[in-house]
Amino acid sequence: DTEVTQTPKHLVMGMTNKKSLKCEQHMGHRAMYWYKQKAKKPPELMFVYSYEKLSINESVPSRFSPECPNSSLLNLHLHALQPEDSALYLCASSQVYLAKNIQYFGAGTRLSVL
Amino acid sequence: KQEVTQIPAALSVPEGENLVLNCSFTDSAIYNLQWFRQDPGKGLTSLLLIQSSQREQTSGRLNASLDKSSGRSTLYIAASQPGDSATYLCAVRRRETSGSRLTFGEGTQLTVNP
Repeated sequence: DTEVTQTPKHLVMGMTNKKSLKCEQHMGHRAMYWYKQKAKKPPELMFVYSYEKLSINESVPSRFSPECPNSSLLNLHLHALQPEDSALYLCASSQVYLAKNIQYFGAGTRLSVL
Repeated sequence: KQEVTQIPAALSVPEGENLVLNCSFTDSAIYNLQWFRQDPGKGLTSLLLIQSSQREQTSGRLNASLDKSSGRSTLYIAASQPGDSATYLCAVRRRETSGSRLTFGEGTQLTVNP
């Protein structure tokens, strides 16, 4: 099973809402990632968790708050977003050891901020 | 700073053609390079991973080569089919990071016409 599951698939929210994106994998991977992808652009790394600890934060605004409650689950909490935050949000996971570090991606959550 | 460039940005071919997608990167100190496929509005599917010590990898009709010293990789698709239509992204993993920071190219949008 090489599946990374993201929910919801689509999300529409207002600028005052609070919502969360969820990502789950059962491949035993101990590295998990959040990416943001705008239309016709490559994914941009937001956060990396390694062994459930935040290891990389690419200077993401605080209105995005990641959480890794256990080794299988990754959340992205959203609050007071802006319309320019509308994008496809992708989750990925991999083994931590670099030589085997194929990243497996979920199908993404399409977020629209009104 | 690592920069990844993919040429061409878009490619349209008739079914059955063999084709080559190109990827170049500016910093040869990479750990590995990964080719992905992305269908519109979907997540990324890993196609091939080439370690820095390898020259090529093959999977079915796909063959990826790596020339680390010149900063180039190619993805060869044999006997293209309409189902191959997608955006193809290459991504390099930099050697100095203990995490898993991938740097993506902008992608090549491939259309295979029946």
